[in-house]
Amino acid sequence: QSALTQPASVSGSPGQSITISCTGTSSDIGGYNYVSWYQQHPGKAPKLMIYEVNNRPSGVSNRFSGSKSGNTASLTISGLQAEDEADYYCNSYTSNSTPYVFGTGTKVTVL
Amino acid sequence: EVQLLESGGGLVQPGGSLRLSCAASGFTFRISAMYWVRQAPGKGLEWVSGIGGSNGDTYYADSVKGRLTTSRDNSKNTLYLQMNSLRDEDTAVYYCATRSTVGITKAFDIWGQGTMVTVSS
Repeated sequence: QSALTQPASVSGSPGQSITISCTGTSSDIGGYNYVSWYQQHPGKAPKLMIYEVNNRPSGVSNRFSGSKSGNTASLTISGLQAEDEADYYCNSYTSNSTPYVFGTGTKVTVL
Repeated sequence: EVQLLESGGGLVQPGGSLRLSCAASGFTFRISAMYWVRQAPGKGLEWVSGIGGSNGDTYYADSVKGRLTTSRDNSKNTLYLQMNSLRDEDTAVYYCATRSTVGITKAFDIWGQGTMVTVSS
């Protein structure tokens, strides 16, 4: 099971919007609405930001939103803030022998 | 407060064994699916293993199948990861994770702080 493909880095200025893509296959992203996104600051545990493609857990800012089209999922951060600078990982449920797969990760830089 | 606390990490030689523990509190552990996720130094997250709550079925990444074994003791609210035949590439921070919020499916909303495993001679 190969990792889902994400861009290595994305950057934006404060207040701008950025979008991170996550590309998989019909066995994972394309086959299920079970895409989740995680934010990880250096030295910290990951934090769930989005689940089931476009749902936010309680306490997560509405500046974070998710979507999916075909085999590609996306995370959009609007009104970019300094605190959003972190690594972001997508995850999908899969029909393969390994039931979950993470993306390669994207480093978000706030300019 | 929902909490996961890993322990048991350390330095081990290639081919050696180690057992990680994850103590859970603040939620109904016995019915909760539990997971292990690892992160090699400077690398991304890798899903390693999972175990069902009610049925105790286990699932593994192909990279660890046959060498790592996940188990649970519901009487102690503790998750375990028995690691055998360790390789250099198993060096990572190991996190335990679960979902404790009703309505969240196929995602992990609670994470421990992680425990470092270093495989080196």
